[in-house]
Amino acid sequence: GQQVMQIPQYQHVQEGEDFTTYCNSSTTLSNIQWYKQRPGGHPVFLIQLVKSGEVKKQKRLTFQFGEAKKNSSLHITATQTTDVGTYFCAGPRGYSTLTFGKGTMLLVSP
Amino acid sequence: DAGVTQSPTHLIKTRGQHVTLRCSPISGHKSVSWYQQVLGQGPQFIFQYYEKEERGRGNFPDRFSARQFPNYSSELNVNALLLGDSALYLCASSQGTYEQFFGPGTRLTVL
Repeated sequence: GQQVMQIPQYQHVQEGEDFTTYCNSSTTLSNIQWYKQRPGGHPVFLIQLVKSGEVKKQKRLTFQFGEAKKNSSLHITATQTTDVGTYFCAGPRGYSTLTFGKGTMLLVSP
Repeated sequence: DAGVTQSPTHLIKTRGQHVTLRCSPISGHKSVSWYQQVLGQGPQFIFQYYEKEERGRGNFPDRFSARQFPNYSSELNVNALLLGDSALYLCASSQGTYEQFFGPGTRLTVL
């Protein structure tokens, strides 16, 4: 079945440093989504990418979908303590449900 | 508008018992999905219901079952609980697209 892998599992940065997490799928994806889960919270939708090579920005966050639509990345510029949490990528499965990666946990020290 | 609601928020059960978890989707959302999230892992798909019909089932044993009611709320039932069923159970609703709106989850502990 479809597998979605993320690296790294964990990253600890100093506030102001950049952060990148990478997502790879075993199959070509029609779209990819990114979610953020704060400690003790639930996943919250960040963005959906659909087109090959698509790049979208949300303030300090930049999301990219690979040309082959099998990989994606999330880059955060100048991290802040509010960026702490686990970032998940997810690919579609079946009828409007998702296969999630294991996530990348981001810790930001002030 | 209210988001997805789930009840209870926390639950402690012993092995062999049965549990029922409840979910109310966002108003107007007809699709409800259930996910299990074990500590340190991503959510794992269990079931999806759309218009009261099961549309998908993940790789979970028959001890897990679910249903959706005419008002689109949903229940997840787990029989013969095992220690390994301890997890955060997330309900997500959608409008039939892939964007999932998650509820706060039910934290189940099996002793």
